[in-house]
Amino acid sequence: DQQVKQNSPSLSVQEGRISILNCDYTNSMFDYFLWYKKYPAEGPTFLISISSIKDKNEDGRFTVFLNKSAKHLSLHIVPSQPGDSAVYFCAARRYTGNQFYFGTGTSLTVIP
Amino acid sequence: DVKVTQSSRYLVKRTGEKVFLECVQDMDHENMFWYRQDPGLGLRLIYFSYDVKMKEKGDIPEGYSVSREKKERFSLILESASTNQTSMYLCASSPGGLYGYTFGSGTRLTVV
Repeated sequence: DQQVKQNSPSLSVQEGRISILNCDYTNSMFDYFLWYKKYPAEGPTFLISISSIKDKNEDGRFTVFLNKSAKHLSLHIVPSQPGDSAVYFCAARRYTGNQFYFGTGTSLTVIP
Repeated sequence: DVKVTQSSRYLVKRTGEKVFLECVQDMDHENMFWYRQDPGLGLRLIYFSYDVKMKEKGDIPEGYSVSREKKERFSLILESASTNQTSMYLCASSPGGLYGYTFGSGTRLTVV
């Protein structure tokens, strides 16, 4: 049973515009969340994290928003650049848990 | 930087062969993980390990086994490869706690 879901398999955005990637989770016990970015033929790399005590975390062009009541998080990339074209995975876990649970991924294409 | 090294980038094996996928990390991390990545299914956990000689089943352990004889090395074994095990295999390590995972570059396995 998929506990972390990314319902959009793909997204295309013009360079310079905002990219919004969404992630939903079903387990209300999850309290720590990550976003990973993956280029083809490479392993995923860590992008940004957020804990449940916050509703927003920013790192340069990347901002993650968390809506605990909706069990929803989103990643905003502003402005989008062609180098951001990759597959993005969200991941969630409990503080007391053993592992992160990953979403199915969203393939972002930034069009120059 | 933590480095996670997977021994092969590409492998082609025949149905019924025994296949070994090797993973080595160089930062003394306690935890190591094996995932497979398939289109539309995201990252699915096969096995993980918290310590030497310890292993736990993930979400899809059937057809796989693992070995962790040394802290830095975590091997994934396909006892009798089948075509439905054709996939991208990703190894990851973590110091534990809320630290994210560091992934290797992946092994693209094709079973013919």
